[in-house]
Amino acid sequence: AQSVTQLDSQVPVFEEAPVELRCNYSSSVSVYLFWYVQYPNQGLQLLLKYLSGSTLVKGINGFEAEFNKSQTSFHLRKPSVHISDTAEYFCAVVNFGNEKLTFGTGTRLTIIP
Amino acid sequence: EPEVTQTPSHQVTQMGQEVILRCVPISNHLYFYWYRQILGQKVEFLVSFYNNEISEKSEIFDDQFSVERPDGSNFTLKIRSTKLEDSAMYFCASRADRGPYEQYFGPGTRLTVT
Repeated sequence: AQSVTQLDSQVPVFEEAPVELRCNYSSSVSVYLFWYVQYPNQGLQLLLKYLSGSTLVKGINGFEAEFNKSQTSFHLRKPSVHISDTAEYFCAVVNFGNEKLTFGTGTRLTIIP
Repeated sequence: EPEVTQTPSHQVTQMGQEVILRCVPISNHLYFYWYRQILGQKVEFLVSFYNNEISEKSEIFDDQFSVERPDGSNFTLKIRSTKLEDSAMYFCASRADRGPYEQYFGPGTRLTVT
């Protein structure tokens, strides 16, 4: 079975500062990896995904993530955050040939003006 | 851009009542899912549905839950006899049969059981 760990439940960051949200996963088989964002009182929106190929993937709103197979990590980064990035961020994994997305517990990103 | 829609946005029901949550997946998608998120907790997988049958379900998806695709556009989740602990946000998702793997999520239905 797969699992996802997001160690940081809350991350406060000053506006225009860089941010990294950490995600580690565990699985016995190959996986696809995703980051979703949930704005207050809204649903889940896909930020970016890693399926194969280049380990550095770019998503919407200036976010990027790097897949590191040896460290089983998929950390999310943004070089300069904005107030509008305030949201909950979820890392998720699905095993090849499986349909079940497994989510981490989420990281609440708060931008300080 | 095509999107998954869900109705109602908020449903309040009394314990023991039956509820049906409705979803309209993206039109050419063939895989359908339900997830739930209890307030303050992570999103949890409930069930996946393909080719008119359940392809996978979690331990949460017990006999009180059922899913159905009653026509070519809707996908429903029925909770037969609601409990207080069923209060949660329920998300529907769908994905295409071909192309890059991605599950598209709807905006959710907030179910409150009193």
